[in-house]
Amino acid sequence: SAVISQKPSRDICQRGTSLTIQCQVDSQVTMMFWYRQQPGQSLTLIATANQGSEATYESGFVIDKFPISRPNLTFSTLTVSNMSPEDSSIYLCSVEDQGAGTEAFFGQGTRLTVV
Amino acid sequence: AQSVSQHNHHVILSEAASLELGCNYSYGGTVNLFWYVQYPGQHLQLLLKYFSGDPLVKGIKGFEAEFIKSKFSFNLRKPSVQWSDTAEYFCAVNGGGSYIPTFGRGTSLIVHP
Repeated sequence: SAVISQKPSRDICQRGTSLTIQCQVDSQVTMMFWYRQQPGQSLTLIATANQGSEATYESGFVIDKFPISRPNLTFSTLTVSNMSPEDSSIYLCSVEDQGAGTEAFFGQGTRLTVV
Repeated sequence: AQSVSQHNHHVILSEAASLELGCNYSYGGTVNLFWYVQYPGQHLQLLLKYFSGDPLVKGIKGFEAEFIKSKFSFNLRKPSVQWSDTAEYFCAVNGGGSYIPTFGRGTSLIVHP
């Protein structure tokens, strides 16, 4: 199993500003994932972050809006840039052991409110 | 592409009532199926999973789920719920060589004492 620490746990931000969310894992993992969970909706994958390469973004998400860093095998950051109220959501960091079928482990999430 | 449908978005039960949460997926190949639970203020965590073998899977806290391939379903059940089962429940699936899960939109369960 993996223990994931995510911070901040919540924040209220002004529109037009940026917020960087940090994700720290207690073991080395190849793949890290960032999800968004909007109110009443499912978890939506934003991007997959590999160490040493650029993140792979899902349809509807772009690097300019959600830049991701992955400096080593235990850490990643997601920045929500130039925020608007529509970015208000819960952002989740996740890791999995490689291989289909293995379970995902999640951070506690960052509840972001943009005013 | 995979998709997951959870038909019950909000469920309210009294303690000792039986629970069944529906989950259907769309994908024709081999799949792995999961139920995750998020208790208030806590992380998402795995409740149970199906990879292969016995289609009736037992999980933590008395939960079970049955994989019915012909119906593309993986419904979650518990014979007698407790107040502490109040949580958000997510069905998820991966397969086709991808280990990235696709999640349903979740079911909010409230159990009244």
